[in-house]
Amino acid sequence: EVQLVESGGGLVQPGGSLRLSCEASGFTVSSYWMHWVRQVSGKGLMWVSRIDTDVSATNYADSVKGRFTVSRDNAKNTLYLQMNSLRAEDTAVYYCVRGLWGLDVWGQGTTVTVSS
Amino acid sequence: DIQMTQSPSSLSASVGDRVTITCRASQGIRNDLGWYQQKPGKAPKRLIYAASSLQSGVPSRFSGSGSGTEFTLTISSLQPEDFATYYCLQHNNYPWTFGQGTKVEVK
Repeated sequence: EVQLVESGGGLVQPGGSLRLSCEASGFTVSSYWMHWVRQVSGKGLMWVSRIDTDVSATNYADSVKGRFTVSRDNAKNTLYLQMNSLRAEDTAVYYCVRGLWGLDVWGQGTTVTVSS
Repeated sequence: DIQMTQSPSSLSASVGDRVTITCRASQGIRNDLGWYQQKPGKAPKRLIYAASSLQSGVPSRFSGSGSGTEFTLTISSLQPEDFATYYCLQHNNYPWTFGQGTKVEVK
């Protein structure tokens, strides 16, 4: 069964850092584009970042560019999102998503709260 | 950035109704569009990809159409489990962008 399981969310102070992980099963992350999408509670969805099968190819939303970094560990079949200089507006549920003709398989999400 | 304008933002319908949701792109996106269903507290689930292709396992009462700038999701006969929020997503150009969502509520 194809599955994505995120972890690493939590409460962090403004200006702090957090690393999200997304462990995949049932497929190989290095064979697909992989994405992060976030959702503020009660609001819509926002695409955050993408990593290509070629790890040098990444894209980011303007609001996170320079602060967030997406990466992958092929041996662990795991996707990461390193989030630095966090702001209150980064508070959201973060979803890891497999990219196939858009976004096909979603994880259950992990909650990040940025607050003092 | 490509703007996706989704309408309506909400609608009230009854079981058995035909429901139509529209997304308009601010520029042409070919058929690089998907439709997603989200229920409270759950991750989104893809219903339609490539504008009109039904995702495996999704009931045939869901259908998508359109190309270029105008797209439609249709539920032919609304079922109790279909009350949810629906989003379109364009993946033609980065940053990928979602519509604002359509909440389908019980009339």
